[in-house]
Amino acid sequence: EDKVVQSPLSLVVHEGDTVTLNCSYEVTNFRSLLWYKQEKKAPTFLFMLTSSGIEKKSGRLSSILDKKELFSILNITATQTGDSAVYLCAVSQGAQKLVFGQGTRLTINP
Amino acid sequence: NAGVTQTPKFQVLKTGQSMTLQCAQDMNHEYMSWYRQDPGMGLRLIHYSVGAGITDQGEVPNGYNVSRSTTEDFPLRLLSAAPSQTSVYFCASSYSGPGARNTIYFGEGSWLTVV
Repeated sequence: EDKVVQSPLSLVVHEGDTVTLNCSYEVTNFRSLLWYKQEKKAPTFLFMLTSSGIEKKSGRLSSILDKKELFSILNITATQTGDSAVYLCAVSQGAQKLVFGQGTRLTINP
Repeated sequence: NAGVTQTPKFQVLKTGQSMTLQCAQDMNHEYMSWYRQDPGMGLRLIHYSVGAGITDQGEVPNGYNVSRSTTEDFPLRLLSAAPSQTSVYFCASSYSGPGARNTIYFGEGSWLTVV
């Protein structure tokens, strides 16, 4: 059975802290791994990772994939209250087929 | 550019009623799909389509029907609503071709409650 597991499920930190979110997977027909941020409505795209060891960066966010150990991490440095959201990890099997993890609910306190 | 448009945004149904969630995209994407999101379970794939006239089942297809008569539209039909179908439904679309980033665009979601 295909599965994507995220940890922790919930995380509360203070503004300015650095956080690391984890995503492990066991999925057939792996094409890519994606990270999304979900506030109140639709998930918004953050990163797509297809190759091991190549860090993707966007401002204070970065992510990396390890295809040998089957996991990915999402780092957020110098967190801000606007980073509060649910972060979703998903593995693409191609053609719109995504297997999602449960999500990590991140809360940033001022 | 409207992107992916879902209607209705909110709906309350009685057990046994049928209804259709509408999804339309104006980006000429070949791929479209429907997901449901329940608390603590992430999103799960219901049905997907790789082009007009072609649909396939995802992880949780029971109780739902789809059709894809045009590239733009991908409606999701609940045949006989059950309380277990209370959820938030997301429609998604993407382009896949040379140079594509396979970015999947999600609609704003449809909140469905079955009583």
